[in-house]
Amino acid sequence: EDQVTQSPEALRLQEGESSSLNCSYTVSGLRGLFWYRQDPGKGPEFLFTLYSAGEEKEKERLKATLTKKESFLHITAPKPEDSATYLCAVQAKGGSEKLVFGKGTKLTVNP
Amino acid sequence: DGGITQSPKYLFRKEGQNVTLSCEQNLNHDAMYWYRQDPGQGLRLIYYSQIVNDFQKGDIAEGYSVSREKKESFPLTVTSAQKNPTAFYLCASRADRYSSYNEQFFGPGTRLTVL
Repeated sequence: EDQVTQSPEALRLQEGESSSLNCSYTVSGLRGLFWYRQDPGKGPEFLFTLYSAGEEKEKERLKATLTKKESFLHITAPKPEDSATYLCAVQAKGGSEKLVFGKGTKLTVNP
Repeated sequence: DGGITQSPKYLFRKEGQNVTLSCEQNLNHDAMYWYRQDPGQGLRLIYYSQIVNDFQKGDIAEGYSVSREKKESFPLTVTSAQKNPTAFYLCASRADRYSSYNEQFFGPGTRLTVL
């Protein structure tokens, strides 16, 4: 069964304090790994798609990386507006339309 | 602006009632999805549709029904058979079913509360 585990469950940082969020996955052939940001009471906002080990993508203070077993979302010099829950999801090969989501990491950045 | 709209934002249901959640997209996307989000759990797939007049059950379809009569619309009905319907419901869409771009884009959600 495909599974996604995100850690830590919650992370509190000071403004400017860089850190990383982890997404470990088991899937029968990875079609894609997705990162989303979700603010309270809102729908997830798409951030990145990663398709193969070694791939990296960046957007402002965020950088996502992928290995064969896990993905990291690195946050460099975060600001309070980066506070949100970050969700990771995987899609398996074989024509599946299903995304398997982790429970998310709640990030709080204090000024 | 292109996007996905869901209505209502908040919905209250009495025991034994059926309610319908609306989802509309003007992105010209082929595929549409319904997820349920509960506190402390990952999003779970209820139903999805890859093309008009066709839809498939997800992992937790019991107590729910859908229709896909138009490309733009994918309403979800929560029936009285759904024993624990209180949750945050999210609609999503994806571009071309044959596209190499697999990301799903989400609407703002509907929070359903059973009174």
